[in-house]
Amino acid sequence: QKEVEQNSGPLSVPEGAIASLNCTYSDRGSQSFFWYRQYSGKSPELIMFIYSNGDKEDGRFTAQLNKASQYVSLLIRDSQPSDSATYLCAVNTNAGKSTFGDGTTLTVKP
Amino acid sequence: DVKVTQSSRYLVKRTGEKVFLECVQDMDHENMFWYRQDPGLGLRLIYFSYDVKMKEKGDIPEGYSVSREKKERFSLILESASTNQTSMYLCASVGSGAQETQYFGPGTRLLVL
Repeated sequence: QKEVEQNSGPLSVPEGAIASLNCTYSDRGSQSFFWYRQYSGKSPELIMFIYSNGDKEDGRFTAQLNKASQYVSLLIRDSQPSDSATYLCAVNTNAGKSTFGDGTTLTVKP
Repeated sequence: DVKVTQSSRYLVKRTGEKVFLECVQDMDHENMFWYRQDPGLGLRLIYFSYDVKMKEKGDIPEGYSVSREKKERFSLILESASTNQTSMYLCASVGSGAQETQYFGPGTRLLVL
């Protein structure tokens, strides 16, 4: 079993819809959780981080964390074609060291 | 803003050559990482360093070595490049807290012929 697993893609949604990206992790000692966006040929860039159970909202993005279920998700509301990218889930256990999922590729169709 | 720079965006080398990839960060971060990223395999950790002159193997260290002589600079060395080391190489740096995010450099796309 992988340490961090993301829902297999690719995921395709129409413009304006909600895109839901999911991630599960195996280490119960995980402390912090990150979502990165990576455009083709570019390096990952941070979108959201979350440390506590519950929801965290930032503009059109909402991160949800459930430590009991070892589950973290990212919702993108009012999806835009510019949101088309690969989304990486990352989990920190030790200070500064992240374990990444394989990524989910999202396509938003106009 | 944190800035992480890598010495080259694109690099073409021949099999057997020694290859140096350099990474520099300007935020006084303790931790630095080298990853490679390949289609279908995600980000894989090669080596990381949590202090000057300190290094730890990641998940796929074979065929690679690293050097960290100064805090801001972390070098990845391919001792004898092989075609299976053709990949995108990403450097990242992060502070020492558990809640710190990683900041990535722009990446080096290496082609070994």
